[in-house]
Amino acid sequence: SQQGEEDPQALSIQEGENATMNCSYKTSINNLQWYRQNSGRGLVHLILIRSNEREKHSGRLRVTLDTSKKSSSLLITASRAADTASYFCATDENAGGTSYGKLTFGQGTILTVHP
Amino acid sequence: DTGVSQNPRHKITKRGQNVTFRCDPISEHNRLYWYRQTLGQGPEFLTYFQNEAQLEKSRLLSDRFSAERPKGSFSTLEIQRTEQGDSAMYLCASSPVGTAVEEYFGPGTRLTVL
Repeated sequence: SQQGEEDPQALSIQEGENATMNCSYKTSINNLQWYRQNSGRGLVHLILIRSNEREKHSGRLRVTLDTSKKSSSLLITASRAADTASYFCATDENAGGTSYGKLTFGQGTILTVHP
Repeated sequence: DTGVSQNPRHKITKRGQNVTFRCDPISEHNRLYWYRQTLGQGPEFLTYFQNEAQLEKSRLLSDRFSAERPKGSFSTLEIQRTEQGDSAMYLCASSPVGTAVEEYFGPGTRLTVL
């Protein structure tokens, strides 16, 4: 079963606008990760946020994590046409504090950035 | 190229045939994962190895599926007596051992069962 659920399922914006995607999950986690996937290709890791962190930045990416609400958000600022892709959140479940790296992915958000 | 590689990239087979996929992880990575992704869905965990030991298998991995990682290097995923429902993208990923590490994914093998 899918633990992470992304919202919205699809997002269409103009170049230069910001894009925000949300993810909810159900169990306690060790960390939460965001990945990007271009059509028919493998996944590329974007950012990892640990369960004891609340916010993290990487370039134009900003991720927040609210463990009390079991939710995370990914913000892409000043979007570009090259950001067009599917974005997935993935949770690494906390099994007694041990991380096995077994990721549970959501269904993803399809982002389209129009030039 | 020092990334994760997978072969073949595409495989078309007839129902009932056996297929085998190969994954070559990043050389210094101890962990290797297999995921399956169907159209419009996120990847689903199948199994993972730490070195040569297979430590967990998803219930998605029926008896027709078997994975190996001899000598803790490359891994193979075999599907016996393929069914149309096995059509999917099979993704391999690797990572070092750690408490919070990113996984590096290969390009995937797209399987089509006719």
